[in-house]
Amino acid sequence: QKEVEQNSGPLSVPEGAIASLNCTYSDRGSQSFFWYRQYSGKSPELIMFIYSNGDKEDGRFTAQLNKASQYVSLLIRDSQPSDSATYLCAGFYTGRRALTFGSGTRLQVQP
Amino acid sequence: DAGITQSPRHKVTETGTPVTLRCHQTENHRYMYWYRQDPGHGLRLIHYSYGVKDTDKGEVSDGYSVSRSKTEDFLLTLESATSSQTSVYFCAISDPVQGGTGYNEQFFGPGTRLTVL
Repeated sequence: QKEVEQNSGPLSVPEGAIASLNCTYSDRGSQSFFWYRQYSGKSPELIMFIYSNGDKEDGRFTAQLNKASQYVSLLIRDSQPSDSATYLCAGFYTGRRALTFGSGTRLQVQP
Repeated sequence: DAGITQSPRHKVTETGTPVTLRCHQTENHRYMYWYRQDPGHGLRLIHYSYGVKDTDKGEVSDGYSVSRSKTEDFLLTLESATSSQTSVYFCAISDPVQGGTGYNEQFFGPGTRLTVL
């Protein structure tokens, strides 16, 4: 079992809808979580991180963390075709000094 | 990724040849990482460095070695390339916030596409 799990998708949503991307993790020792966006053929770019239970909002993006249930989610409001990409979830474990990534979820926003 | 460069960006080589990939940063970040990305596997950590001459293995380190003699450069070497090492390789950097707040944002270079024939 991978330590960070994501549904590979594709997740297809219509333009203007809310896209909900989910991630679960197995190690309760994880301290913080990161969402990266990766366009085809490009490198991952950081969208946001979260380390406290609850919600964190940044523009159209909201990250949610529930440590009791061990899941992290990313909501994208008013989805645009330019949001079509693969979204990578990653957890940080202090002892390893490195991020552990999920396999990513491919999002398709239909115009 | 303006402060992180990787070279070469593309390379085709033959099985059994040595290959060295270079990552260079201008951000003076303490931590540097090498990942490989393959379809269905996401990003997997090969090796990382937490300071000059301080390195450690990741989850897929077999067949790879690294060196870091300067803060700004982190080299990844495939001593004898195999077809299974055909992949896209990403370098990343980070600098943990002092005081142990628990977060560690990583920033990625543009990647190197390596093909081993």
